[in-house]
Amino acid sequence: DAGVIQSPRHEVTEMGQEVTLRCKPISGHDYLFWYRQTMMRGLELLIYFNNNVPIDDSGMPEDRFSAKMPNASFSTLKIQPSEPRDSAVYFCASRPRSGRDNEQFFGPGTRLTVL
Amino acid sequence: GENVEQHPSTLSVQEGDSAVIKCTYSDSASNYFPWYKQELGKGPQLIIDIRSNMDKRQGQRVTVLLNKTVKHLSLQIAATQPGDSAVYFCAENGGANNLFFGTGTRLTVIP
Repeated sequence: DAGVIQSPRHEVTEMGQEVTLRCKPISGHDYLFWYRQTMMRGLELLIYFNNNVPIDDSGMPEDRFSAKMPNASFSTLKIQPSEPRDSAVYFCASRPRSGRDNEQFFGPGTRLTVL
Repeated sequence: GENVEQHPSTLSVQEGDSAVIKCTYSDSASNYFPWYKQELGKGPQLIIDIRSNMDKRQGQRVTVLLNKTVKHLSLQIAATQPGDSAVYFCAENGGANNLFFGTGTRLTVIP
């Protein structure tokens, strides 16, 4: 299995631009999570899906952030318009419905820099 | 399930020595406690976990202890190697499907 796949790995954009991050979870996993990692705030959960349905989006910072999961093998996190304070590493993780408890499998992350 | 304190924030040990990282949590509903290792430029990877019906679990050179009474957990890495250098995170699930992570410990193993 290829594991969780994220693209792009690095993104540099200018303030005000739209940014779209992509994630392909591990096949067969029912849960998908989006995290943001910064030095100041550590690893924060933004939103998670179960069977493509958003369950908890209380971590989404504000209306500039949106996430979708149109099917079981693809999710996007969109920031529009982007701001310098959005600079961070964004991780996607997935988890099977059954199996070893809550173990989440993380992707390699997307490093976002907003100038 | 959102208050997970972790310390120390940085830790340096000599190769071969043990490293101990500690966490405290506040949510009594938490029943699952994983530890993740994050190497530079990579996503976190699970190294060991423990459920609330256990107070100790051992893996290869790693031991996790859980004290539910005082809501403490710890990770010990024995006989450390340079490859153990990374950032380590504790986490707890607050009894739910998601995870709440500690602030991380940057471990440096000095050859």
